[in-house]
Amino acid sequence: DGGITQSPKYLFRKEGQNVTLSCEQNLNHDAMYWYRQDPGQGLRLIYYSQIVNDFQKGDIAEGYSVSREKKESFPLTVTSAQKNPTAFYLCASSMGQGTATNEKLFFGSGTQLSVL
Amino acid sequence: QQQVKQSPQSLIVQKGGIPIINCAYENTAFDYFPWYQQFPGKGPALLIAIRPDVSEKKEGRFTISFNKSAKQFSLHIMDSQPGDSATYFCAASILEYNFNKFYFGSGTKLNVKP
Repeated sequence: DGGITQSPKYLFRKEGQNVTLSCEQNLNHDAMYWYRQDPGQGLRLIYYSQIVNDFQKGDIAEGYSVSREKKESFPLTVTSAQKNPTAFYLCASSMGQGTATNEKLFFGSGTQLSVL
Repeated sequence: QQQVKQSPQSLIVQKGGIPIINCAYENTAFDYFPWYQQFPGKGPALLIAIRPDVSEKKEGRFTISFNKSAKQFSLHIMDSQPGDSATYFCAASILEYNFNKFYFGSGTKLNVKP
């Protein structure tokens, strides 16, 4: 099955702890994204990557970090600097053409992060 | 400042009704307007999309109406079914530094009652 796999489905973070959310895709897509979803606020872009070993900050990158060492993997670390981490986190990918806006985003099933 | 404003926040209709979800934008540089459908505990999935040079697009029971002069677009669901109960997001995209950036509305939770 082609698609995006996010794990774990649920994650709990203790105060002061860093946690890492996994995102793997087998769609051979160049571009990958992390979005944060809060109730009533829609999806907000945290980080994106258009190519291996390169990534850019989105609109709400503070308190988060990412890496893109492999084309198929784009893990997100929620650091202790993120004071309000409770949210639903969505990973997405697209072909990453960079020349047309009519790209289709493919989303994973999400990770719900909660603070203990 | 929210780039795409979506309303209503929630919507309840009877089976067979025609729910309408509205979105508005300010940036005239947006040139692609998709709608995503999200079921509980799942990621959003592309439902239907439109370019601003088209005033209407229909796919099955789903129709997008687009008003370029008013900078508004809406989703209509004909003959709605309980299986359509989900959260719907409108979005707008723009190329920024060779990156296709999407701005999402705040979502509308639709409940179709049997």
